[in-house]
Amino acid sequence: AQKVTQAQTEISVVEKEDVTLDCVYETRDTTYYLFWYKQPPSGELVFLIRRNSFDEQNEISGRYSWNFQKSTSSFNFTITASQVVDSAVYFCALRGGIQGAQKLVFGQGTRLTINP
Amino acid sequence: DTEVTQTPKHLVMGMTNKKSLKCEQHMGHRAMYWYKQKAKKPPELMFVYSYEKLSINESVPSRFSPECPNSSLLNLHLHALQPEDSALYLCASSPPAPQGYTFGSGTRLTVV
Repeated sequence: AQKVTQAQTEISVVEKEDVTLDCVYETRDTTYYLFWYKQPPSGELVFLIRRNSFDEQNEISGRYSWNFQKSTSSFNFTITASQVVDSAVYFCALRGGIQGAQKLVFGQGTRLTINP
Repeated sequence: DTEVTQTPKHLVMGMTNKKSLKCEQHMGHRAMYWYKQKAKKPPELMFVYSYEKLSINESVPSRFSPECPNSSLLNLHLHALQPEDSALYLCASSPPAPQGYTFGSGTRLTVV
């Protein structure tokens, strides 16, 4: 079975602070794919990043960065110099390589509030 | 076109009504999905269509009936729903792994 755990239910910070959202996953697949999605109040799930299990390079995109550590089964997401527009619910998700290829399993989500 | 379009955006229906949710994509994706999302919860998979064939049904009650008329369209037919079925219904599509899913903006369904 595949499982994604986002232990932080809600985070609230003041604008310009850095914030890290944690994600821990479980899977028996040797090949798998990890994702982060952003869900603003409008409801649409916005794709942020995909990481393959065989690529442990960290990635930076503007103010966003992701730290993938296979040894600890974690895929954490950091927002640097947060802005009010970053306020949303963020979901970490896992898609298996073979058996789980057609299922995208989500964590419980972290509600991020950036206060001005 | 890199979007998944869902209609209607909002729907209120009675427990005896029959209604349909529609989803359309023109990205050439051959897998399409229905997810249900209750308030403050993550999306939960309902159905998966692969090459217009139903490949996964996550034990969804028969009052929800999916249909995939062609590779671009996905419908969800609703009949005799219960108030607890009120939720955001999300449609998504994807190419084969390892790509991610593209989600629509959803239909907010209220059953009264």
